[in-house]
Formats: sequence, C-alpha cells, structure tokens
Amino acid sequence: DAGVIQSPRHEVTEMGQEVTLRCKPISGHNSLFWYRQTMMRGLELLIYFNNNVPIDDSGMPEDRFSAKMPNASFSTLKIQPSEPRDSAVYFCASSPGGHPQHFGDGTRLSIL
Amino acid sequence: KQEVTQIPAALSVPEGENLVLNCSFTDSAIYNLQWFRQDPGKGLTSLLLIQSSQREQTSGRLNASLDKSSGRSTLYIAASQPGDSATYLCAVSSGNTPLVFGKGTRLSVIA
Repeated sequence: DAGVIQSPRHEVTEMGQEVTLRCKPISGHNSLFWYRQTMMRGLELLIYFNNNVPIDDSGMPEDRFSAKMPNASFSTLKIQPSEPRDSAVYFCASSPGGHPQHFGDGTRLSIL
Repeated sequence: KQEVTQIPAALSVPEGENLVLNCSFTDSAIYNLQWFRQDPGKGLTSLLLIQSSQREQTSGRLNASLDKSSGRSTLYIAASQPGDSATYLCAVSSGNTPLVFGKGTRLSVIA
C-alpha cells in the first residue's frame, strides 16, 4: 500500500506566482481532504471531496484558492496569485468513507 | 462551532515515565474522537479512534479514554520511550462532518 502521495514535498516561489499542489489518494478511498497547518492556527480543513465531488469548501480562505478532483486518483490545490501569508504545510488525506483518515507527508510551501 | 483544546502544549519527561495528554472539546455531540501522532516533517498517523458510544480504546502502551458528557479525552502512554517523542493531536468529528483538530502536545522523552 503506497499511502497518500503528495508532490512536491517542498515548494519555494515568489509572491504572485501560481502554485499547484498535487495529491494521489489511496486506491479505493472515496473521500479526500485538503488541510493547511501553521504554527499559529494549527491544522485547518480547507476543502473535502466525496466521490470526486466537493462537499464543503468553507475553509478555503479566498478566491485565490481552488481545488479540483478530476478523477478518483488525483486532486490538485491551486493558489493564484500566491502571497507570503500562504506559507504553510499543506496536507492531503484520504479515507474510505470519512474515517479514519490517512495523511500524506505534506507539501512545505514558502512564498517569498 | 466545535473547538478542541490540548493541554499542555509541550511536555518533557524522562524515559520510563507514564504520562497523560489531555484533550477537551466544546460540543459534546461528537461522532468519534481520534488521536494522531505527527513526527517532524511528516504527516499524521492515526493512533486510536474512539466511537462516541465507547469509553476507551487501547493499542499496546497507549490507552485513550473518552468522557463525552464532560467533553474530555485523555491519551495515556505507559513506560514512555525516546521513540515516543512526537507531536500528538486530538481531533473530533460530529456526525459526517470532517475532523476538527487541536493544536497538539509536543512530547519529548529524554533518555
């Protein structure tokens, strides 16, 4: 079992650039979650999908953030344009119907 | 809105000690509660999941208890080892809603 795979592991880019984070969930899992982790706010849910359909995106901070899940084996989280305050670790998790969730190792994003 | 609090934020103990990590939540109408472990630079690993109808769950040296009416859970680690050093996060779910996380307790076990 390969687990949840996220790429890239690290991303450093300049303010204003577009950033795309990728996630491959565990095969057979029908729920996918995107989280953001910072020292100040801890782990926050951004958006989650059930069967490739976005269910709750109320955690997405602004219109600059968008997420897609074109099929059961791939999801992207895009930030355009990026800002320094977007710097954080972004996690993707998947689950077979809600619980328990299996997490990827995260993408550490730094916006200069 | 559900809020989850973990105390203490950091804890340092000598190897071999038994220890307790605390988690409290504001809305007692939960579906389940999970304890996770996070190692530096890594994602979260689920340790124990307690359904709302359960009082505790055990896995090896770990025991998690749940008192839903008082909005509290504890994670007990017996005979701590340096390999237990990590951040431990508590998370609750209400119905089919996603997890709400605490900010974690950073544990250091000193050899």
